Amino acid sequence: QVQLVQSGAEVKKPGASVKVSCKASGYTFTNYYIHWVRQAPGQGLEWMGIINPSGGSTNYAQKFQGRVTMTRDTSTNTISMELSSLRSEDTAVYYCSRGGLIPRLETNSWFDPWGQGTLVTVSS
Amino acid sequence: SYDLTQPPSVSVSPGQTASITCSGDKLGNKYTFWYQKKPGQSPVVVIYQDNKRPSGIPERFSGSNSGTTATLTISGTQIMDEADYYCQAWDSSTAVFGGGTKLTVL
Repeated sequence: QVQLVQSGAEVKKPGASVKVSCKASGYTFTNYYIHWVRQAPGQGLEWMGIINPSGGSTNYAQKFQGRVTMTRDTSTNTISMELSSLRSEDTAVYYCSRGGLIPRLETNSWFDPWGQGTLVTVSS
Repeated sequence: SYDLTQPPSVSVSPGQTASITCSGDKLGNKYTFWYQKKPGQSPVVVIYQDNKRPSGIPERFSGSNSGTTATLTISGTQIMDEADYYCQAWDSSTAVFGGGTKLTVL
């Protein structure tokens, strides 16, 4: 079955960077977009960006541009999301999720399935 | 930026119908997607492309979208449906989520 398995919880100090990984299985890795979405404590879902695992192209939400980098490793079917210059407001559960079939229009697509989530805590 | 507005909370008695709205500018011209989020669990899509139900999602979940409002309807609501529900749409290649609605079944 389609599965996304994320790396474990992280604790970081303000100003540091964090890298969260997402390993895909059960489908052809390069055929589907991958998205990153986060949820801060008591808050709603927030989209961070998208990566095309086939060519590696990315599109980041304006809020995160300059601080986020999404990469892929086709040899291990793994997507990584690195967020830099961390601040306390970045404390959240970070999810990867599979999007639509490449190269179909992503605006017709939804997020399914989701990884189990990775808690990132930013604290001094 | 594009905004989607949901009521913070909706209450319903077991067996009754719950309706959760999502409002946005010309939302009816876009596809709307709905996700169920329970505490400690990952979100699950319950409606995609306005009114389609993924396999495994009960028939009591349905959706509509017209004008400026999309609606998620849960008929015969069950205790297990108590969760946060988020609408989502795309605007200029950016995914936008509504603020979420806490559905209480009591």
